[in-house]
Amino acid sequence: QKEVEQNSGPLSVPEGAIASLNCTYSDRGSQSFFWYRQYSGKSPELIMFIYSNGDKEDGRFTAQLNKASQYVSLLIRDSQPSDSATYLCAVHNTNAGKSTFGDGTTLTVKP
Amino acid sequence: DAGVTQSPTHLIKTRGQQVTLRCSPKSGHDTVSWYQQALGQGPQFIFQYYEEEERQRGNFPDRFSGHQFPNYSSELNVNALLLGDSALYLCASSSPGTGSLYGYTFGSGTRLTVV
Repeated sequence: QKEVEQNSGPLSVPEGAIASLNCTYSDRGSQSFFWYRQYSGKSPELIMFIYSNGDKEDGRFTAQLNKASQYVSLLIRDSQPSDSATYLCAVHNTNAGKSTFGDGTTLTVKP
Repeated sequence: DAGVTQSPTHLIKTRGQQVTLRCSPKSGHDTVSWYQQALGQGPQFIFQYYEEEERQRGNFPDRFSGHQFPNYSSELNVNALLLGDSALYLCASSSPGTGSLYGYTFGSGTRLTVV
């Protein structure tokens, strides 16, 4: 079992809809949780991080964290074709000194 | 403000050869981590350098080694290349004293192809 699990997708939503991306993790010692966006052929770009239970909003993006359930999610409201990318969930354990990534969920937003 | 710079962008090597990849971290960052990303997979942690020392290491063989220089730049060396080493190699830098707690800034990567 992978340390960080994501639905591989692809996830397809129409323009203007809400896209919901999910992630579960196994390391209870993880302290920070990240969502990176990776366009095809490009490197990952940090779009959200969260470290407390609950919701964190930044523009059209909302990250949700539930440490008891070891679950992280990302909601993208009013999805745009430019949001089409692979979204990588990552969890960070400071003691281990590294972030562990899932394999990503590919999102396609159709005009 | 310069971001993370990696060189070269693309590289083709033959099995058994050795390769060196280079990285300059974002201005103000002192910690460099290296990741390997195979096609269709998430990045896999190779190792992290801080204060010119390897601080953490992932499950990679000793063929993978690195170095960090006093100006915080870093090199990744891979010896005895295998076909399975073909991947995108990512350099990630992070803020001083945070232990990468607030995330990474990635370079554009080096695409290594082993033939």
